[in-house]
Amino acid sequence: GNSVTQMEGPVTLSEEAFLTINCTYTATGYPSLFWYVQYPGEGLQLLLKATKADDKGSNKGFEATYRKETTSFHLEKGSVQVSDSAVYFCALSDLQGAQKLVFGQGTRLTINP
Amino acid sequence: DVKVTQSSRYLVKRTGEKVFLECVQDMDHENMFWYRQDPGLGLRLIYFSYDVKMKEKGDIPEGYSVSREKKERFSLILESASTNQTSMYLCASTAVGRSSYNEQFFGPGTRLTVL
Repeated sequence: GNSVTQMEGPVTLSEEAFLTINCTYTATGYPSLFWYVQYPGEGLQLLLKATKADDKGSNKGFEATYRKETTSFHLEKGSVQVSDSAVYFCALSDLQGAQKLVFGQGTRLTINP
Repeated sequence: DVKVTQSSRYLVKRTGEKVFLECVQDMDHENMFWYRQDPGLGLRLIYFSYDVKMKEKGDIPEGYSVSREKKERFSLILESASTNQTSMYLCASTAVGRSSYNEQFFGPGTRLTVL
């Protein structure tokens, strides 16, 4: 079945550091890929998405490129801020039926001033 | 502003109690989902519904049931709560897709503790 693997957390960085959170997937067919973010005390919200190979999703300074050859969708940001502290989830959807999502285990990110 | 609301943010129940978690969305979405979130495991799908009175099991349905009598409301039921059901429960909804993925909108979650 479909699955998503994220880098283990927690991740702690200083403000303005470069961020990479690794995500790889296993899927049949051609899934869409997503990053969701969960700020403290809140539900998840979509950060960015990519629906086909070589697509780059971007939002709020974050980027991720859909790499079919390496089955990866790594999240990057050039200069993180304290407000980026949150839990980040990589996910895939096969666009079938009810468009179920399969999530990775989540990566907790803490940014220190 | 789109909204998914859940009936409680925090809930404490005793082992063996019947527990109802309610979710309401105001976006006229067809699809609704219940997940549980546990550290190191991410979100796991319990049940989903693609229409009123329609439901399908997700990856971990054991010990849970659901009800969808109205389009906007999707309830998760723990028939006899157990301590291993202590978790964060998240509800989500999405419109029916055509050629592209439609974003899932999440509620704030209910943190359930079963003693």
